[in-house]
Amino acid sequence: EAGVTQFPSHSVIEKGQTVTLRCDPISGHDNLYWYRRVMGKEIKFLLHFVKESKQDESGMPNNRFLAERTGGTYSTLKVQPAELEDSGVYFCASSSSLIASAFFGQGTRLTVV
Amino acid sequence: DQQVKQNSPSLSVQEGRISILNCDYTNSMFDYFLWYKKYPAEGPTFLISISSIKDKNEDGRFTVFLNKSAKHLSLHIVPSQPGDSAVYFCAASGSGGSNYKLTFGKGTLLTVNP
Repeated sequence: EAGVTQFPSHSVIEKGQTVTLRCDPISGHDNLYWYRRVMGKEIKFLLHFVKESKQDESGMPNNRFLAERTGGTYSTLKVQPAELEDSGVYFCASSSSLIASAFFGQGTRLTVV
Repeated sequence: DQQVKQNSPSLSVQEGRISILNCDYTNSMFDYFLWYKKYPAEGPTFLISISSIKDKNEDGRFTVFLNKSAKHLSLHIVPSQPGDSAVYFCAASGSGGSNYKLTFGKGTLLTVNP
């Protein structure tokens, strides 16, 4: 069974540009989460989808971040325009229930220069 | 305001000995606790969890202890193996339907020396 897949694994963009991160959850998992780890800090919750609906987006830093989950399958996280402080590793996770032992993807390392 | 704290950034132990990783939390609403292991360039991998109704959970070489009055939990690895070398994250989750949201500590880098 395929795990949670994230694309790209690395992205280097200039300040002011737009970047879109993609996450393919484990098939059949209704719950999808985005987390972010800024260097040296803890992994922080960004948002949670149940199928195609945003259940909680309280962790989204600001309105430069937009997450979507088309048809309740894969999800995208767009940063527009990117700022230097957006650099970090963005993790996607999915689970079949609300029990918090979700499966994580390998992460996308975003560097804004 | 960090609600989950791992005060030791790193820990080094000899192969075969016990590794003890510690975690403290401040939010009394947390009722489910997890440990994740993370290798470089990989995502966190679920290791073991414990509900607040228990004080101990064991899975093979891994045991998690929870002290609710002290708001403290620890992960014991016995015996430690070189393959256990990784960053270990403590995470906590709350109740009332919000138990999907994990609050992580900063992690502890464990190095097991052969």
